[in-house]
Amino acid sequence: GQSLEQPSEVTAVEGAIVQINCTYQTSGFYGLSWYQQHDGGAPTFLSYNALDGLEETGRFSSFLSRSDSYGYLLLQELQMKDSASYFCAVKNYGQNFVFGPGTRLSVLP
Amino acid sequence: GAVVSQHPSWVICKSGTSVKIECRSLDFQATTMFWYRQFPKQSLMLMATSNEGSKATYEQGVEKDKFLINHASLTLSTLTVTSAHPEDSSFYICSARGGPFGARWGKTQYFGPGTRLLVL
Repeated sequence: GQSLEQPSEVTAVEGAIVQINCTYQTSGFYGLSWYQQHDGGAPTFLSYNALDGLEETGRFSSFLSRSDSYGYLLLQELQMKDSASYFCAVKNYGQNFVFGPGTRLSVLP
Repeated sequence: GAVVSQHPSWVICKSGTSVKIECRSLDFQATTMFWYRQFPKQSLMLMATSNEGSKATYEQGVEKDKFLINHASLTLSTLTVTSAHPEDSSFYICSARGGPFGARWGKTQYFGPGTRLLVL
């Protein structure tokens, strides 16, 4: 079977740093992606990790540990506009992306 | 970046009618397109994968006769919800993989803006 786990909700204040974890069990693994989705909108791509380590893109960073089947998305200098749902997704051997349940991030003033 | 469009963005229809949703990749050739369904406050559920020029591959539990997918060209895939019922009301999102310059195995998917379907 295939399963991904993420916390359902995370709350933080503006300017803070928040980490959203993702653990996975899938049939094969090529890489881990992160997507952001605002209410009523479609997902937008944030990052992709195929190798172990940290990838940094501006205020967002993503980490992967293949041996631990674990990754996280790190959001720094939080802004109100970062309030959204964040999904991790695994690219499996079928070249499809399997999505996690999503984490709803609320940024408070 | 790559752009994917969907049409229509909103559709309201009566129970029993059929609805067609179009997904287009605007600036790249999408060898593979995916169709997802998302219910409120839930994750994206992959319905089917369509490759240009071949039959779509449906996920377990998705009725292929109800959700007809056609991927006739490298820039267009369509999803037709046949004999729609209220339980089919959902947010339908397509995504395309291909990337610029016809790259076959893109490292990401580009999502369309989605289509909200309401069946009365």
